[in-house]
Amino acid sequence: DTGVSQNPRHKITKRGQNVTFRCDPISEHNRLYWYRQTLGQGPEFLTYFQNEAQLEKSRLLSDRFSAERPKGSFSTLEIQRTEQGDSAMYLCASSLANSYNEQFFGPGTRLTVL
Amino acid sequence: GNSVTQMEGPVTLSEEAFLTINCTYTATGYPSLFWYVQYPGEGLQLLLKATKADDKGSNKGFEATYRKETTSFHLEKGSVQVSDSAVYFCALSLGTGNQFYFGTGTSLTVIP
Repeated sequence: DTGVSQNPRHKITKRGQNVTFRCDPISEHNRLYWYRQTLGQGPEFLTYFQNEAQLEKSRLLSDRFSAERPKGSFSTLEIQRTEQGDSAMYLCASSLANSYNEQFFGPGTRLTVL
Repeated sequence: GNSVTQMEGPVTLSEEAFLTINCTYTATGYPSLFWYVQYPGEGLQLLLKATKADDKGSNKGFEATYRKETTSFHLEKGSVQVSDSAVYFCALSLGTGNQFYFGTGTSLTVIP
């Protein structure tokens, strides 16, 4: 399977704990995006990388959130001191750096904060 | 700012009925427009796209035309099937990183 993969698929945690999600993009894609999707809403942009550089962050990405893409391949999204409002589906997508290229989405990681 | 407004759902149709899902957008530049579909339990999949005004995207019997004058990108299908039951998202791509701005999604259920 050469699509975008995300791990874990589901994560249940207690409020105040830290969690980390991983995304493996399609291998030749140099752009990687993170989105958050809450129930009944469309995905909302969080941040994106071109190769290893994080080029833009949404105001939705509070200081409790951090994302890395250390070698320009896989990426991690960490949430510190989780809150119940962080409960959502976290989606990763990848693409080639071109204005017209579609983004390929992974299956997402569903986070539940108790 | 940039945003997408989609027709509210849910939509329920009988098999072979005509489908229209309205989508309008606001953008600060010249966006590319997309329709993504999310089948139950699966991730988002690209359905079709259009990159400039008057382009028509089409796939699997679905069509949408990029209308700059009305800032719209309505999704249509002439005869829906039960297998088309899914959530449909309209999106635009803009900005230096081409991040997507999604609508809220429209749930479609097709009954036999």
